[in-house]
Amino acid sequence: AQSVTQLDSHVSVSEGTPVLLRCNYSSSYSPSLFWYVQHPNKGLQLLLKYTSAATLVKGINGFEAEFKKSETSFHLTKPSAHMSDAAEYFCVVSVRGGGYNKLIFGAGTRLAVHP
Amino acid sequence: NAGVTQTPKFRILKIGQSMTLQCAQDMNHNYMYWYRQDPGMGLKLIYYSVGAGITDKGEVPNGYNVSRSTTEDFPLRLELAAPSQTSVYFCASSYLPLDSDTQYFGPGTRLTVL
Repeated sequence: AQSVTQLDSHVSVSEGTPVLLRCNYSSSYSPSLFWYVQHPNKGLQLLLKYTSAATLVKGINGFEAEFKKSETSFHLTKPSAHMSDAAEYFCVVSVRGGGYNKLIFGAGTRLAVHP
Repeated sequence: NAGVTQTPKFRILKIGQSMTLQCAQDMNHNYMYWYRQDPGMGLKLIYYSVGAGITDKGEVPNGYNVSRSTTEDFPLRLELAAPSQTSVYFCASSYLPLDSDTQYFGPGTRLTVL
């Protein structure tokens, strides 16, 4: 069965230091993968998506993620955290089944950024 | 463009009451979706629609109904509200199916059933 696991429920970094949010997926075929961000009391916004093109995907606000098939990972990184990056981040895998393509969400990682 | 809008932002219901969550998009998207987000969890799909007049169940449809009479609107109906329906509800839309296009999300409706 397809699934996605976000390895950390909370990550705390200092402003200006690197960010790493970890995601592992399980899929029986080459998946489409996404990272979404949710700021407090806001809807979800797409950060980036992987759809079997380049394995290193660049997104908005300086974020990027690397698809590693051998490790079944799709970790999200940013070289230097900004206070405005504090939010909840969701790793998402798209799967086919039941007559429609559906998104399976990870449980989320809450990123805190300290001055 | 306003994107995806949802009303109300907050609502408290008593057990057994009914209500409709409104969702509208002005991007002329064919596909629309309703999700619920429980505390500490990711989103789960309730219902989706591939166009006006066409709807289908997602992962967690029990206790909900939808309709899609226009491209723009996709209301979610709760009949006989139960505490298990306390959640944050998100509406989303996309031009293409889920795995090939971006989904645009509304700001959410926070529902509490007491």
